[in-house]
Parts: sequence; structure tokens; C-alpha cells
Amino acid sequence: GQNIDQPTEMTATEGAIVQINCTYQTSGFNGLFWYQQHAGEAPTFLSYNVLDGLEEKGRFSSFLSRSKGYSYLLLKELQMKDSASYLCAVRDSNDYKLSFGAGTTVTVRA
Amino acid sequence: DGGITQSPKYLFRKEGQNVTLSCEQNLNHDAMYWYRQDPGQGLRLIYYSQIVNDFQKGDIAEGYSVSREKKESFPLTVTSAQKNPTAFYLCASSSEWGGETQYFGPGTRLLVL
Repeated sequence: GQNIDQPTEMTATEGAIVQINCTYQTSGFNGLFWYQQHAGEAPTFLSYNVLDGLEEKGRFSSFLSRSKGYSYLLLKELQMKDSASYLCAVRDSNDYKLSFGAGTTVTVRA
Repeated sequence: DGGITQSPKYLFRKEGQNVTLSCEQNLNHDAMYWYRQDPGQGLRLIYYSQIVNDFQKGDIAEGYSVSREKKESFPLTVTSAQKNPTAFYLCASSSEWGGETQYFGPGTRLLVL
């Protein structure tokens, strides 16, 4: 099984940078996913890391350290539309199921 | 447009009633999933199907049932045995089991009258 922790809430100013941390404990690791979810809507896929290092996609970047059981999602040049919940999910190498953290609600203020 | 559809958007259930949530995908994906989302908790897996005519229990299957008679359809029935059904239900699919990203439908919010 998996134990996934991420902060409950974060607030930042428009144009700033926010880093959302995710730590996990797993019996078998087969990749880490980040999803964005606006209130009442479906989660949408943001990024996938399976090897250590940084993956960059425009304003969003995701980092993974497998030895530390740690990932972060970095949101740059924040926009009001980035106000959402961000979900960290880990795939188990034993059964390929995804386990989700409770999500981090990011509020972007003008 | 390819995607995943869920209906209805809102569903009300009376005590002792079974209700069925629809999930359809036209992505030609083999694997489909049902998750439940409650406030302050991560998504929890109810049932999953790796391929048509096959499905497996997830972590919280009690009080739920599914079928997978067609590749594109994976309906979820919330039975009267599920004592706390109020939640946001999300259906997802992936091109194959275990190897690909899961994509989610818009969700169904189930409320108990």
C-alpha cells in the first residue's frame, strides 16, 4: 500500500511561484502523477515522473526523488485560473493501482 | 471529440434504493476505473476493469457493483447496502492496465434524500 502526504492548503499571489510538496511511503513504486482539479470538476493530468529529476512543461514543473520518497509540483507565473486542488498520486509496482493524496488547495490572490 | 462521459451530473437516492451511474468512453481504452471522492480525502478506488468482461474489487467495493459487457461502458450501481453513499463519483480510463495515464470523466455527485 501507499501513504501519501501533501499540505492541505496554500495561498499565493498572482505572478508568484508556489511549490507543492508530496511525500510518500510505498511497498513498490511505479511512477508519480500530478493532477489538477477545479471544484466540482474532473481531475486533469498535469505530469508524470518515474525517474529522478525535473520534468518541465511550460509554467508547471514536477520533480521526483525516489530515494527520499519525495516529489514537488512547481507552479510559476501564477494566474487566477490556477486556483484549484492539486492531487499527488503514486502507482504501485505490485498491482499498478493509483493511490491518491488528499489534495492541496491552492488559492491565487490578486 | 474523444472523451469520457458520465451521467447524470447529480443523482438523488432514497433510502433503500439502488441507483446506477453511467460511464462511457470513446477513447478505445481497455481499462476503466471507478473512484469515490470525499472532502478531505484522496480518491479511493471502488472497482476497476482491465479489459471487457472482467472486473476486480478495489479498496472500498462493499455496497457497490459493476459490469463491463462492452468496452466503452462501465456502469456503477450503488446498492442499498452502501450506508454512506453521499460522495463525488469519478470514472476514469486508460489505454491499458498499469502502463498509461488515467483520464477522468466529469463526475457524478450522489446525494441521499
